Amino acid sequence: AQSVTQLGSHVSVSEGALVLLRCNYSSSVPPYLFWYVQYPNQGLQLLLKYTTGATLVKGINGFEAEFKKSETSFHLTKPSAHMSDAAEYFCAVNPGAGSYQLTFGKGTKLSVIP
Amino acid sequence: ETGVTQSPTHLIKTRGQQVTLRCSSQSGHNTVSWYQQALGQGPQFIFQYYREEENGRGNFPPRFSGLQFPNYSSELNVNALELDDSALYLCASSFGQGKYGYTFGSGTRLTVV
Repeated sequence: AQSVTQLGSHVSVSEGALVLLRCNYSSSVPPYLFWYVQYPNQGLQLLLKYTTGATLVKGINGFEAEFKKSETSFHLTKPSAHMSDAAEYFCAVNPGAGSYQLTFGKGTKLSVIP
Repeated sequence: ETGVTQSPTHLIKTRGQQVTLRCSSQSGHNTVSWYQQALGQGPQFIFQYYREEENGRGNFPPRFSGLQFPNYSSELNVNALELDDSALYLCASSFGQGKYGYTFGSGTRLTVV
C-alpha cells in the first residue's frame, strides 16, 4: 500500500524567502506524484504533477518539484515566497498499475510573514 | 470549459439521517472520485466511478454509496449519518481514470449534529 509523509504540519517563511515543503512517499511501483494547494474554504487546485520523463517538474505560480526515486521524495520549492502563497499544500501519490486513487499526505500549512 | 461543480455548498443534518451530495464533472471527463476531508486532515479516498461503474473503493463502510450518470455527473449518498461523518466532501473528475490527476470541486461542507 502506498503512503505519503509530509514533514512539518506548519511552515513559516518570510516574504521573498525560499519555500521548501517536504514530501516522502512509499509505493511498491513507480508512482505518479502530485502537489495540490488548498485555500481556505475551497477545493484543491493542482500545482504540478510527475508521471514520467523529466524528474524536475515545473508548475503554476512559480512552484517546482523534483522526483528523487533513490530518496523516495518529491519536495516542493519556490525561490521567492509571495503573500498569496499562504495556503495549505498537499502531496499525493497515485500508484498507477490499474489503481488510480490518490493517497494524500496530511498537509502542510504555509504562512508567509511580511 | 466548466470545472467541477458541487451542490450544496453547506448543509446540516441530524445523526441517523440520510444525505445526498451532487457533483457535475468537468466537460470531457468520464471518471469521478469522491474524497472525505476531515478538519485538519488530508482527503481520504471514498470511491471512484468510471463509465457508470464503481471501480475502486477506500476504507469506508457500505452506508457510503454512489452513482454515476450517463452524463458523468455523480451522487454520493450517506445513510445513517454519524457525528464523525462531519467533513468536507470533495468531488474530483478526470479523463481516463485519473492517471494524470484530477480536477477538484470546491466541496460540500457536511455537519452532523
